[in-house]
Amino acid sequence: AQSVTQLDSHVSVSEGTPVLLRCNYSSSYSPSLFWYVQHPNKGLQLLLKYTSAATLVKGINGFEAEFKKSETSFHLTKPSAHMSDAAEYFCVVIQNTGFQKLVFGTGTRLLVSP
Amino acid sequence: DTGVSQNPRHKITKRGQNVTFRCDPISEHNRLYWYRQTLGQGPEFLTYFQNEAQLEKSRLLSDRFSAERPKGSFSTLEIQRTEQGDSAMYLCASSLEQVAYGYTFGSGTRLTVV
Repeated sequence: AQSVTQLDSHVSVSEGTPVLLRCNYSSSYSPSLFWYVQHPNKGLQLLLKYTSAATLVKGINGFEAEFKKSETSFHLTKPSAHMSDAAEYFCVVIQNTGFQKLVFGTGTRLLVSP
Repeated sequence: DTGVSQNPRHKITKRGQNVTFRCDPISEHNRLYWYRQTLGQGPEFLTYFQNEAQLEKSRLLSDRFSAERPKGSFSTLEIQRTEQGDSAMYLCASSLEQVAYGYTFGSGTRLTVV
């Protein structure tokens, strides 16, 4: 079965510095992967998705992620953090056992300090 | 159509009471999902509808939980004889047939059982 592992439960950065949120996946074939963001007391919002097209995927709010098959990784990056980026980020994979459904990682909380 | 709508946003109930949540999906989405999210965890799949048919239920969905989607439009999730362990955020999402496009999530219903 497909799964994802988020390597850090918390990441702290200063405003204006780069962001790196790490995600490794496990899949027997080329997976479909997503990053979702959840701001406090808000719903989940799709940041970006990878569906076997270009390996570098650009999303909203300046985020991007690179699919690396050799490393089974799909890390999320942003060149310069803003205070408004502080939120919980989830790496997600489509699981195909039974029917297709999204399976979430445990999440990474991004803290941004002034 | 402004997205997936969930009501109520918050629900506080006494242990042993029954509660019902409602989800109104995006009108052209034929797939509807319920997820549960506890503190510090990623959302976990509960159940899935394609139109009015409930096609899969997670082992997390005990006999006290029931979900319906009459006429393939809105859905309800009922929890009978609530327990403190049911306290969580209940998320609804909808999607088109192609799951690779991702889900659109509602803002969730936060349940607190006291």
